[in-house]
Amino acid sequence: AQSVTQLDSQVPVFEEAPVELRCNYSSSVSVYLFWYVQYPNQGLQLLLKYLSGSTLVKGINGFEAEFNKSQTSFHLRKPSVHISDTAEYFCAAFYGGSQGNLIFGKGTKLSVKP
Amino acid sequence: SAVISQKPSRDICQRGTSLTIQCQVDSQVTMMFWYRQQPGQSLTLIATANQGSEATYESGFVIDKFPISRPNLTFSTLTVSNMSPEDSSIYLCSAGLYNEQFFGPGTRLTVL
Repeated sequence: AQSVTQLDSQVPVFEEAPVELRCNYSSSVSVYLFWYVQYPNQGLQLLLKYLSGSTLVKGINGFEAEFNKSQTSFHLRKPSVHISDTAEYFCAAFYGGSQGNLIFGKGTKLSVKP
Repeated sequence: SAVISQKPSRDICQRGTSLTIQCQVDSQVTMMFWYRQQPGQSLTLIATANQGSEATYESGFVIDKFPISRPNLTFSTLTVSNMSPEDSSIYLCSAGLYNEQFFGPGTRLTVL
């Protein structure tokens, strides 16, 4: 069965430090990958997505992710985090089929400390 | 992009009662979905809401417990029936296709 694995449930980091949130997906011929952010008591907001083309994808709020087919990974990075980046981050994948539903990882809570 | 609203934003309900959650999209969309996010967990797809026909449920979810309606391309409802404390979750509506899905703000449900 297809799956998405987020290796870290919590990532604490100091403000202005770099951060990487890890995501691995089960291998497939065709997969589309997404990162969503959920701020406290809010819905999900799309950060970035990989559909095809360049493996380095840039998103909103200074985040980027790199699609690595050989490693089946799609790690999210930011070179310098802010307090306002404190949120939960979800990696998701679409493996095809007519329904279009996404498979989500369990999420990573990013805590940015001053 | 699509803007999705949900009503209510939160509710506290008694065991054995039912709650209907509404989802409104500001544009016509082909696909609409309902997800559940249990405390500290990821999102789990409940069903795909099909316009004009019965919803398509994922394994572990049944129509009697989670009846869904979708009368047109911009509106859907999810009912949580005969609630128990285990139904306490955030319920999220989403819309869109595989290449971009938009999510509503969620309905935070607490069952006592």
